[in-house]
Amino acid sequence: DQQVKQNSPSLSVQEGRISILNCDYTNSMFDYFLWYKKYPAEGPTFLISISSIKDKNEDGRFTVFLNKSAKHLSLHIVPSQPGDSAVYFCAATESYNTDKLIFGTGTRLQVFP
Amino acid sequence: NAGVTQTPKFQVLKTGQSMTLQCAQDMNHNSMYWYRQDPGMGLRLIYYSASEGTTDKGEVPNGYNVSRLNKREFSLRLESAAPSQTSVYFCASSERNTEAFFGQGTRLTVV
Repeated sequence: DQQVKQNSPSLSVQEGRISILNCDYTNSMFDYFLWYKKYPAEGPTFLISISSIKDKNEDGRFTVFLNKSAKHLSLHIVPSQPGDSAVYFCAATESYNTDKLIFGTGTRLQVFP
Repeated sequence: NAGVTQTPKFQVLKTGQSMTLQCAQDMNHNSMYWYRQDPGMGLRLIYYSASEGTTDKGEVPNGYNVSRLNKREFSLRLESAAPSQTSVYFCASSERNTEAFFGQGTRLTVV
């Protein structure tokens, strides 16, 4: 049973527009969430995180929103750039224990000119 | 900055062969991990080591063994490779309860 779900396998966005990547989770004990970005033939790199005591966290062009009641988080990228084209994974864990991250299946974002 | 280094980058094995994937980190992290990535499955944790001298099973440990040789190095061994172990393997490291840093991956094919 997939505890972290990314239901959109792919997303295509025009350069300069907003990209919204979604992630749903089923375990109400999850309290720490992370987004990773992965380019082909490279390992994932950390992008941004949010703890359950917040509902929003921003870092430059990247903002993560958390809706605990809906068990949903989203990553907003504004404005989108061609270099943002990558696979994005969300991950979640309980008790802030990053030894046991549960990853979603990923969303492939393509930003076109 | 080397970060997390994995070797080899590519490997083809025959069913039943054994091999060890090597991983080293130079960030003085306590925790190290082995993940596998399969199409449509995301990243799944195979084994992790929260500190030198300790190892624990993750979500998909069957068919694998690990060794935390020292604080820097964490190896993954396939004793008898099976086609189901065809995957991309990532090693990662982190400090306690912080984000993990990943290596570039090892693409393993078992024929």
